[in-house]
Parts: sequence; C-alpha cells; structure tokens
Amino acid sequence: GENVEQHPSTLSVQEGDSAVIKCTYSDSASNYFPWYKQELGKGPQLIIDIRSNVGEKKDQRIAVTLNKTAKHFSLHITETQPEDSAVYFCAASMSGLTGGGNKLTFGTGTQLKVEL
Amino acid sequence: DGGITQSPKYLFRKEGQNVTLSCEQNLNHDAMYWYRQDPGQGLRLIYYSQIVNDFQKGDIAEGYSVSREKKESFPLTVTSAQKNPTAFYLCASTATANTGELFFGEGSRLTVL
Repeated sequence: GENVEQHPSTLSVQEGDSAVIKCTYSDSASNYFPWYKQELGKGPQLIIDIRSNVGEKKDQRIAVTLNKTAKHFSLHITETQPEDSAVYFCAASMSGLTGGGNKLTFGTGTQLKVEL
Repeated sequence: DGGITQSPKYLFRKEGQNVTLSCEQNLNHDAMYWYRQDPGQGLRLIYYSQIVNDFQKGDIAEGYSVSREKKESFPLTVTSAQKNPTAFYLCASTATANTGELFFGEGSRLTVL
C-alpha cells in the first residue's frame, strides 16, 4: 500500500519568513495530494490540494508543488503569521476520474510554530 | 450550520468496557470515515462507509465496529478487544466516495483508565 513520509516533524520560523514542509510518497499510482491544517483541539481542514496533472498550485500565501518523477510534493507558506501556527498533514490517494478523498494515506504531521 | 458533530468530546473508560462514539453529519454526504490519531503517527483509517448499510475495514479495524443505518450517522464502537484504545478519534465525510475534500468533526478523545 501507499506510504507517505513527511518532514520536518517540527518547524519554527519567525513571523514574515517562509515555511516549507516536504512529503514523499511510494505508490506511483497516487494522483491526488491534499494538505490539511489542524489547530489545537480541532479536526483537520483542507487548505490546498493538487492533482497529478498539475505541477504547482497557489492560493494567496500558500502553494503546493508536485514532482511526479521523484514522488515528492511540498507545501510552501510565505509571509507567515502567528495564526499559521498549527499541525500540517500531507496526504496521498489514488482517485477515480472525479477526484480523490477516499482512503487517503496521511503523513505524520508537522508542528509549525510562527514566532513573533 | 452544516457540519459534522462528534460526541462526546472527552470520554473515560475502564478496561474491558465497550464504548460508542457518535458521529452525525448534516451535509448530505454519502461517504463517512473514522480515523484514529496518535502523537507522531498521523491519521490512520479505521473504517469507512460509501453508502448507507455498507462499510469496509480500513487499515486498523481490529477491535472496532461500526454501523451505517442512516445516511447522517456513523457511530464507532471501541470494543474491549482493542488493545490500545486511548487515542483521539476523528470522524469525516465526503460528498461521494470519489470527492476530494474530507470534512472532519472536532474529534473525541478517549482515555482508558
């Protein structure tokens, strides 16, 4: 089955700096890669996702890049703010023609701390 | 507001007791999921259901049971056969089995004393 590795497990940055979280996956058939943000005591929320027919996707201060050949994908957060502090999870799945969400395999999470 | 409601938020159980965690959604979603979250291990899939009256085992189903008698409800029972039940349990749903976004509840923290 799919295996997703995520690094680093913790990341501290100064407010305004950029943060990068990296994931690798094992199954070349995976074609859907979402990122979730989990605030303390809450359930995870989708922040951005990418499908394998796209190399990069941006949404304001966040972006995700995908390298299918190397089986890597990364989350980039620019101009970090204190409210970005949370746990971030990457995930991967094989999806049908309409997308994926069924049986996601998650990474182990990155605790991001944005310091003032 | 539409969303997923999990209850209770905190639950304590003695060893040997079964406990049922509730998950209700008013999003009219077809598919529902239960994940277990342990520190440093991410989220692992316990069971999922794509439609009413149907469910499948996930990666760590041993010691757990579910039912899906109604579209909006997907309760999880943690049985005494689960060797290490202390964890944070998350329920989620997607509009259909192949739709991208998982919507999560706020979780239930189970502690076995």
